[in-house]
Amino acid sequence: DTAVSQTPKYLVTQMGNDKSIKCEQNLGHDTMYWYKQDSKKFLKIMFSYNNKELIINETVPNRFSPKSPDKAHLNLHINSLELGDSAVYFCASSQGLESNQPQHFGDGTRLSIL
Amino acid sequence: GDSVTQMEGPVTLSEEACLTINCTYTATGYPSLFWYVQYPGEGLQLLLKATKADDKGSNKGFEATYRKETTSFHLEKGSVQVSDSAVYFCALMDSSYKLIFGSGTRLLVRP
Repeated sequence: DTAVSQTPKYLVTQMGNDKSIKCEQNLGHDTMYWYKQDSKKFLKIMFSYNNKELIINETVPNRFSPKSPDKAHLNLHINSLELGDSAVYFCASSQGLESNQPQHFGDGTRLSIL
Repeated sequence: GDSVTQMEGPVTLSEEACLTINCTYTATGYPSLFWYVQYPGEGLQLLLKATKADDKGSNKGFEATYRKETTSFHLEKGSVQVSDSAVYFCALMDSSYKLIFGSGTRLLVRP
């Protein structure tokens, strides 16, 4: 059973479109995250939710909006896609925010903007 | 702000060679430190961690020791295998519970 699953795995779309990436975890964790990994493999946190409440909101354009309908899901909606949004987006979850709670990552969604 | 610096890759080794991937950090206070590994086409997996000075994290033959005096957390393995080929990320958790990652080091192990 996949612990943290993201869909779709690949997303190819035109500039200006709106798209969503879904994430679900079946680990019973309270905390979920979205990360962006650029073409040079640099990984940076975007958002974190704890018990459906936004905890971390990095300097991310307003075009990115996370939505957490329940503790097991954290979706990422992106409006007006730009070329610079091309990246791999990773969802992760952990039992809590503390450092002794390891983060479990999904396999990523590769977003390509044409 | 807090940051993590890793040696640039790729690191190319022959099977059974010794591995060291350097990692240093800049942080206020004493953050927890981590090594994550990313295999091709997959997400990151926690490899090991250390939460305080002089702690040694270890897993699957990999080790790293939290050195406060040199602000380092170098990853070591005595004998690498082809299956260890991956990208390795050093990270720290800052005071607001954010994981700050280094730029990653690609390891290639040849038979």
